[in-house]
Amino acid sequence: AAGVIQSPRHLIKEKRETATLKCYPIPRHDTVYWYQQGPGQDPQFLISFYEKMQSDKGSIPDRFSAQQFSDYHSELNMSSLELGDSALYFCASSSTRRTDTQYFGPGTRLTVL
Amino acid sequence: GQNIDQPTEMTATEGAIVQINCTYQTSGFNGLFWYQQHAGEAPTFLSYNVLDGLEEKGRFSSFLSRSKGYSYLLLKELQMKDSASYLCAPRSGNTPLVFGKGTRLSVIA
Repeated sequence: AAGVIQSPRHLIKEKRETATLKCYPIPRHDTVYWYQQGPGQDPQFLISFYEKMQSDKGSIPDRFSAQQFSDYHSELNMSSLELGDSALYFCASSSTRRTDTQYFGPGTRLTVL
Repeated sequence: GQNIDQPTEMTATEGAIVQINCTYQTSGFNGLFWYQQHAGEAPTFLSYNVLDGLEEKGRFSSFLSRSKGYSYLLLKELQMKDSASYLCAPRSGNTPLVFGKGTRLSVIA
């Protein structure tokens, strides 16, 4: 079965640079979620989109923005990167027409130097 | 808001049974999820309980008591590959999941 796809899998950036992370949800899933997981931490919810509209907002910094496109893929844009942004970024998708179980992608490991 | 409490670490022997408890306080309770996460990998869905009782799925079972705000994940016939973090996530309405700190399980020979 198709799973959530994230790209890139690894990304290295310098401080103050920008980064764009991409997420392709499971086909026919209408909701996308972004999570940030620092070393030894639990996943922290950042933001979610339902049918291309922002549905919930968590602890997403103002330097970050995200959107969901007409083909349901989503992008997380991160600007003015800081060392503390180094983390695993997971995207998850779900279908509101089913149990709404979130299925996670493999994650993007962002390292800020 | 939500309060989620799980043991931080547990150790169990290969072939044994282990129970990972989770207590929670949440408004608008709408089910509880358990996920498994190996280090550096994505959380993997294990179970979803919305009604009281035990749900069994192979070696893994999950129990829920809504009135007590309590759930547990039961792992039988432990294998070394079961060494991972187990995340409890009660759901509030239709909001995104909020995970507990997770329980790091170490399976030893």
